[in-house]
Amino acid sequence: AQTVTQSQPEMSVQEAETVTLSCTYDTSESDYYLFWYKQPPSRQMILVIRQEAYKQQNATENRFSVNFQKAAKSFSLKISDSQLGDAAMYFCAYREIQGAQKLVFGQGTRLTINP
Amino acid sequence: DAGITQSPRYKITETGRQVTLMCHQTWSHSYMFWYRQDLGHGLRLIYYSAAADITDKGEVPDGYVVSRSKTENFPLTLESATRSQTSVYFCASSEVGNTIYFGEGSWLTVV
Repeated sequence: AQTVTQSQPEMSVQEAETVTLSCTYDTSESDYYLFWYKQPPSRQMILVIRQEAYKQQNATENRFSVNFQKAAKSFSLKISDSQLGDAAMYFCAYREIQGAQKLVFGQGTRLTINP
Repeated sequence: DAGITQSPRYKITETGRQVTLMCHQTWSHSYMFWYRQDLGHGLRLIYYSAAADITDKGEVPDGYVVSRSKTENFPLTLESATRSQTSVYFCASSEVGNTIYFGEGSWLTVV
């Protein structure tokens, strides 16, 4: 079974600085999807960024970018120019392409932004 | 464009009662999912459905029942609620191989 590990339960960063959240996963599949979701205090699950495993190019969405290392099974999220509104829980997730196509989540990283 | 909606958003029930959480999506997505999120945990899959009339167990299915007679609806029933089922429940949907979108969550407290 696939597993996702986020080794940083909590992170903090100064406003306007850059922070990187780590994620590793375990799978025997060659093709799959990876996601980062943001969960603010409202508990809404908000998609931040998505990466297809067959794409070598790292995904970017404005201030958010990923470092996808397929061989190392690593998928980190970089947030540039951190803003107070970025404070939230961040979940890394893996989605299989075949079968159930379910999403497997890591335990989450709580990000605090210091003004 | 309503997307995916859950009801009720908040529910308090007593131990032993039956509770049904509703989920409705307007996109005609094939896949639908139910997750639960407990304090200090990520999201864990309860049940999923690949299409109408096709459902299967996830990681933590015990004590739950689902059905999917129509593509757009995927209700989750707690047959006899227990305190350990106090949680936030998320319904989600997606098309094949696409991003999974989540509802706003249903906060359930079992007393």
